[in-house]
Amino acid sequence: GAGVSQSPSNKVTEKGKDVELRCDPISGHTALYWYRQRLGQGLEFLIYFQGNSAPDKSGLPSDRFSAERTGESVSTLTIQRTQQEDSAVYLCASSFSGKSSYEQYFGPGTRLTVT
Amino acid sequence: QQQVKQSPQSLIVQKGGISIINCAYENTAFDYFPWYQQFPGKGPALLIAIRPDVSEKKEGRFTISFNKSAKQFSLHIMDSQPGDSATYFCAAGRQSGYSTLTFGKGTMLLVSP
Repeated sequence: GAGVSQSPSNKVTEKGKDVELRCDPISGHTALYWYRQRLGQGLEFLIYFQGNSAPDKSGLPSDRFSAERTGESVSTLTIQRTQQEDSAVYLCASSFSGKSSYEQYFGPGTRLTVT
Repeated sequence: QQQVKQSPQSLIVQKGGISIINCAYENTAFDYFPWYQQFPGKGPALLIAIRPDVSEKKEGRFTISFNKSAKQFSLHIMDSQPGDSATYFCAAGRQSGYSTLTFGKGTMLLVSP
């Protein structure tokens, strides 16, 4: 079956612009996660969805970042008024269950460059 | 208390050698410890995982060793191959309830031919 897909694969934007990143999880996966990976750095947790609700938003770095999920499927991560420090690869993962012992399946990521 | 500390940051091993990556955690509530492997341009993928009811788990050339009292766990790659060159992330989480994984910062492994 299809894995997790993300779009766009690459996004170059000017400082101050808004961007939307999309994640299509594996069908039937109730849990969805967003991570940020800066160059040479680890996985920085941003937000976790269980169904369409987000019980854990603790990783969102500022109020410029928001995310939503609809139909227990697609999720969109929005970054408003982008800054150069937002440049990173944004990874989405989905899991059959929100329990941490269930494997997270990652997408290939969206590489965001803010100029 | 949520941190998972991973070392080394990078590692170079000759083909056929043993690669060892270490992780330490502080939260005693953690009871699930997976390792993820990431190749350049790809998302991470689950490699192997261990629960603390055992001290070691082996899958092929990959072994996790777990020391509950020291709150440490490590990944050993035996007979390392150039194809193992990747970034490895350890993680920790709780099996009960709904919770996210806490990832280490990653180790970039290069296996030289």
